[in-house]
Amino acid sequence: EVQLVESGGGLVQPGRSLKLSCAASGFTFSDYFMAWVRQAPKKGLEWVATITNTGSRTYYLDSVKGRFTISRDNARSSLYLQMNSLKSEDTATYYCATIAAGDWFAYWGQGTLVTVSS
Amino acid sequence: DIQMTQSPSFLSASVGDRVTINCKASQNINKYLDWYQQKLGEAPKLLIYHTNHLHRGIPSRFSGSGSDTDFTLTISSLQPEDVATYFCLQHNSGYTFGAGTMLELK
Repeated sequence: EVQLVESGGGLVQPGRSLKLSCAASGFTFSDYFMAWVRQAPKKGLEWVATITNTGSRTYYLDSVKGRFTISRDNARSSLYLQMNSLKSEDTATYYCATIAAGDWFAYWGQGTLVTVSS
Repeated sequence: DIQMTQSPSFLSASVGDRVTINCKASQNINKYLDWYQQKLGEAPKLLIYHTNHLHRGIPSRFSGSGSDTDFTLTISSLQPEDVATYFCLQHNSGYTFGAGTMLELK
């Protein structure tokens, strides 16, 4: 059974940093592209970043480019999102998700809440 | 950027009803359209991928159709456990989610 478990969320002041983690199990992690998707409180979903299965290429939402870094450790079956210079508009639940060969988000974790506030 | 217009925003229906939810893309997205279900407090779950392919484990009362810019999610006979918010997603060019349809029981 595919399992994705996010951690690392919390309350952080504007301008500070936070690193999210996603522990994967139940599938061959190194075979899959992975993504972070976020959902602001009572809002819709928004794709944030994607990383290829080897980690050689990454892609970002324009509004987080230069501030967020997606990375992975295939040996540990883990995905990460380093978030720097956080803004109030980054407040959201962050989900990690697997990307299937056809580019859809096949499986999602339960999410971790990030609140950016002074 | 491709915009997705989802309708209705809110839907109330009875058990056994046929329910349809629509998504319209601002340009042709070549069937790269998926549907997700999100129950209150839970993560989204993939229902349908590439317009009309049922994800594993999803009941056959869910189906998808459409092409070019217009797409539909149909629940053939609404069940109580289908109460949720439904989102479409286009991935023909980048990723854009629809705003969601909140489905409740009448």
